[in-house]
Amino acid sequence: KAGVTQTPRYLIKTRGQQVTLSCSPISGHRSVSWYQQTPGQGLQFLFEYFSETQRNKGNFPGRFSGRQFSNSRSEMNVSTLELGDSALYLCASSPPGTGVGVSGTSSPYEQYFGPGTRLTVT
Amino acid sequence: AQKITQTQPGMFVQEKEAVTLDCTYDTSDPSYGLFWYKQPSSGEMIFLIYQGSYDQQNATEGRYSLNFQKARKSANLVISASQLGDSAMYFCAISGGSNYKLTFGKGTLLTVNP
Repeated sequence: KAGVTQTPRYLIKTRGQQVTLSCSPISGHRSVSWYQQTPGQGLQFLFEYFSETQRNKGNFPGRFSGRQFSNSRSEMNVSTLELGDSALYLCASSPPGTGVGVSGTSSPYEQYFGPGTRLTVT
Repeated sequence: AQKITQTQPGMFVQEKEAVTLDCTYDTSDPSYGLFWYKQPSSGEMIFLIYQGSYDQQNATEGRYSLNFQKARKSANLVISASQLGDSAMYFCAISGGSNYKLTFGKGTLLTVNP
């Protein structure tokens, strides 16, 4: 089974431009999450989508947005790029039926990560 | 809110020896999961091991084991018989409740010396 794929792998943009990153989850996975990784802030959660709906959102400005399509593929967009947006953007997908809920289920909310897109803003 | 603390920015270990990477957590969720990921220099996050808060036994996956001490809120990763290929960043993470996200620690850079 193919893993999570992300395109492009590397990207160089200029401050003020916008960028769109793409993520294709593992076949059968309907949940897709996005994370930003920087040396200073570490790994930070951006948002999570399930069945085309955003279920959870991290603490990022409105310049960061995302969407999910009916085939579970997801895109994230960053508008008006800033130098501080330079980062590794990781996408992860999760198999259906997983999650550690209040019911006490021990089913792990496994997340399988893609190779990431390294964005450089100059 | 959930929080992961990894107090070891870097660790060194000799090949074939065992090493323990520390992780403490804080959460108000009664049910949660703890994860360890490995990130080589290539950048991809590789899932290593998982421990559920209700699991009675410590998780093991090959050379990886998780020393889960719930009362102390710690979930240390033990790597036995270290290999050169184990050199990487290691992240501890937690997920709980219905927030469907992982909260990561700052990571520990492990270097395995020949």
